[in-house]
Amino acid sequence: KAGVTQTPRYLIKTRGQQVTLSCSPISGHRSVSWYQQTPGQGLQFLFEYFSETQRNKGNFPGRFSGRQFSNSRSEMNVSTLELGDSALYLCASSSSPTATYEQYFGPGTRLTVT
Amino acid sequence: AQSVTQLGSHVSVSEGALVLLRCNYSSSVPPYLFWYVQYPNQGLQLLLKYTSAATLVKGINGFEAEFKKSETSFHLTKPSAHMSDAAEYFCAVSYASGNTPLVFGKGTRLSVIA
Repeated sequence: KAGVTQTPRYLIKTRGQQVTLSCSPISGHRSVSWYQQTPGQGLQFLFEYFSETQRNKGNFPGRFSGRQFSNSRSEMNVSTLELGDSALYLCASSSSPTATYEQYFGPGTRLTVT
Repeated sequence: AQSVTQLGSHVSVSEGALVLLRCNYSSSVPPYLFWYVQYPNQGLQLLLKYTSAATLVKGINGFEAEFKKSETSFHLTKPSAHMSDAAEYFCAVSYASGNTPLVFGKGTRLSVIA
């Protein structure tokens, strides 16, 4: 079974631009979560989607948004990029949104904002 | 609110020595606890999880962790370190109800010296 895939793997953007990151979950998984990983703040939860509905949202500004499609693929968008948005963005999928089910992480998208 | 504290951002052990990575949690309700490992340029992989069954949890790659409610701890151990264990390790907590996202600790980087 193929794992979680994230595209692109690396991205360089300029401050003020917007970016869209994509995540394809493991086949059959309907829950997708997004995390931001930085050296200073560590791993921080962005949002979680299950069956196209946002179930939880982390403490991030409205510039960060996401969506999930009917095939469970998910995208996250960051508008008006700031230097502080440089991070590794990780996507995780699970068969169910409850914590008892293992989350499988993708390799991440490394975003650099200049 | 839940939180996780990992003592020691960097731990160094000799090959064959005991590995002990410390994790203390704060939760007002019964927690679910997890240990994840991250190798360079990769996503996170679940090592083991505690979901209110046995307090001693065995995971992959010879790792285990013991849930101690009185000490609010969930330390990760491995009797004999291998060079391949060098990675970043993250402890995470969620509510037992399972309806909340994972909260991660800052991580501990494990180095194994030959």
